[in-house]
Amino acid sequence: GAGVSQSPRYKVAKRGQDVALRCDPISGHVSLFWYQQALGQGPEFLTYFQNEAQLDKSGLPSDRFFAERPEGSVSTLKIQRTQQEDSAVYLCASNHLAGPEQYFGPGTRLTVT
Amino acid sequence: AQKITQTQPGMFVQEKEAVTLDCTYDTSDQSYGLFWYKQPSSGEMIFLIYQGSYDEQNATEGRYSLNFQKARKSANLVISASQLGDSAMYFCAMREFTGANNLFFGTGTRLTVIP
Repeated sequence: GAGVSQSPRYKVAKRGQDVALRCDPISGHVSLFWYQQALGQGPEFLTYFQNEAQLDKSGLPSDRFFAERPEGSVSTLKIQRTQQEDSAVYLCASNHLAGPEQYFGPGTRLTVT
Repeated sequence: AQKITQTQPGMFVQEKEAVTLDCTYDTSDQSYGLFWYKQPSSGEMIFLIYQGSYDEQNATEGRYSLNFQKARKSANLVISASQLGDSAMYFCAMREFTGANNLFFGTGTRLTVIP
């Protein structure tokens, strides 16, 4: 079946621009996670949804970062007034409550110039 | 303190040989899970293997096995009969089941398989 999809795969933004990154989880997966992966590092947790409820946003680095999942399926991560330090790969993962493993999408590589 | 430590930034292995990638973890939870993911140059994180803290036997999935030593808090990944397609970054991760649902990742090990 279809895996997790993310769009766009690559995004270049000028400093100060707003960006929106989309994640389409595996159908039927209740849990959805966003991670940020800086160059040469492991992914770091940003936020977690169960259905449409955002249960944990402790990893969001600033109030410029905002995520939503209004209908409990597709999620959007929005970054306002992008800064150079926001340059990273943004990974989305989904999980079926029946199992512990998370399945990841291909990521969106964001470059802020 | 780091929850996951991977001390090998890079490893080389000859094709068809076995290789062990090291991972140690730090948690005070009794209930937790350990994961290994592979990240090829395309960027996608591919789930390989899982070990629960209460599982008594080491997990195996095809050519992958997880050498779980609970007292030493280590969860090393063993890849047998290495193939050229195994060349990638490998990440160890942990989830604490009594806390948040997210994964904590290490910094990864880059594995290169030599023909």
